[in-house]
Amino acid sequence: AQSVTQLDSQVPVFEEAPVELRCNYSSSVSVYLFWYVQYPNQGLQLLLKYLSGSTLVKGINGFEAEFNKSQTSFHLRKPSVHISDTAEYFCAVMDTGRRALTFGSGTRLQVQP
Amino acid sequence: DVKVTQSSRYLVKRTGEKVFLECVQDMDHENMFWYRQDPGLGLRLIYFSYDVKMKEKGDIPEGYSVSREKKERFSLILESASTNQTSMYLCASTKGGAGREEQYFGPGTRLTVT
Repeated sequence: AQSVTQLDSQVPVFEEAPVELRCNYSSSVSVYLFWYVQYPNQGLQLLLKYLSGSTLVKGINGFEAEFNKSQTSFHLRKPSVHISDTAEYFCAVMDTGRRALTFGSGTRLQVQP
Repeated sequence: DVKVTQSSRYLVKRTGEKVFLECVQDMDHENMFWYRQDPGLGLRLIYFSYDVKMKEKGDIPEGYSVSREKKERFSLILESASTNQTSMYLCASTKGGAGREEQYFGPGTRLTVT
């Protein structure tokens, strides 16, 4: 069975500072990896995904993530955050060949002026 | 743009009532999903469907059932609502295939069972 761990439930950060949101997963087979963002009172939208190939994946709004197979991690980064990045971020994993995602518990990013 | 709509943003029901949550997508997607979202637990899969009249249990199907009579519509049914089913319910859809495609989410229904 697959599982996802997001170690930080909340991450406070000042505007224009860099940020890293951590995600570790466990699975016995190859996986696809995703980061979704949920802005207040909205549904989730895709930030980026890793399917295969280059381990550094670039997404929308200046976010990127790096897949590290040996450490089973897929950490999300942004070099300089804005107030508008305040949201909840979810890491998700899917075993290749399956149709459903397994989500982590989420990390609330709070960007302060 | 893909659009996933849910019938209600907020719903208040009494314990023991039968509750229907409706989800409609307009992009001819094969796969549809129901999740519940609770603080500190993230999203947990209740049921999903990969074709009309087909369904598969997710991680927490107990107390729920689903119906998919038309491709664009996926309904979640709480046969006898209980207070522990108070939650945010999210519907999602995606094209067919082995999961490489983005899931598109509706805005959610916040259900309160009193």
